[in-house]
Amino acid sequence: QKEVEQDPGPLSVPEGAIVSLNCTYSNSAFQYFMWYRQYSRKGPELLMYTYSSGNKEDGRFTAQVDKSSKYISLFIRDSQPSDSATYLCAMSEDGQAGTALIFGKGTTLSVSS
Amino acid sequence: DSGVTQTPKHLITATGQRVTLRCSPRSGDLSVYWYQQSLDQGLQFLIQYYNGEERAKGNILERFSAQQFPDLHSELNLSSLELGDSALYFCASSPSRERGEQYFGPGTRLTVT
Repeated sequence: QKEVEQDPGPLSVPEGAIVSLNCTYSNSAFQYFMWYRQYSRKGPELLMYTYSSGNKEDGRFTAQVDKSSKYISLFIRDSQPSDSATYLCAMSEDGQAGTALIFGKGTTLSVSS
Repeated sequence: DSGVTQTPKHLITATGQRVTLRCSPRSGDLSVYWYQQSLDQGLQFLIQYYNGEERAKGNILERFSAQQFPDLHSELNLSSLELGDSALYFCASSPSRERGEQYFGPGTRLTVT
């Protein structure tokens, strides 16, 4: 079993739709949870950063972490064509031994106008 | 723009050669990370430095080495290159030694022929 599982998609939605992206993980020591957006051949861009469980909202984006289920989600409201990209979940343990990010393989999202 | 810079953008070299990739972290960030992204493996952590000292090591090959200099820029050295080393190499920096929040540079695309 991989440490972080993420459905690669592709996911295709019409403009204005609500998008739900998810990851599951197996390592209960993960404390920090992130979502990155990556456009083709570009560097990953940090979208959301969450420590431990709970919800966090930033504009059209909402991140949820459920540590009891080892499940994290990213919701995108009112999706736009410019949201078309690959979304990567990432997580890391407490930093005593360094903070390597463990990434999911990414979900490719396409938003059509 | 994350504030992390990487040079060069592209590198094309032959098998058996050695190359050096360079990274400058965001102003004030002491932690630098190197990641490799290939189509089949996704984003994989290689190594972390904090204020000049190696902090954590991932699946970094013995042919690869890195260092962080007093001005906090970092270099990743890849030697005895093989075709399978062709990938995108990303540098990331973080304001904290322990927290997972990382900001990625634009990457260096390495092609080994």
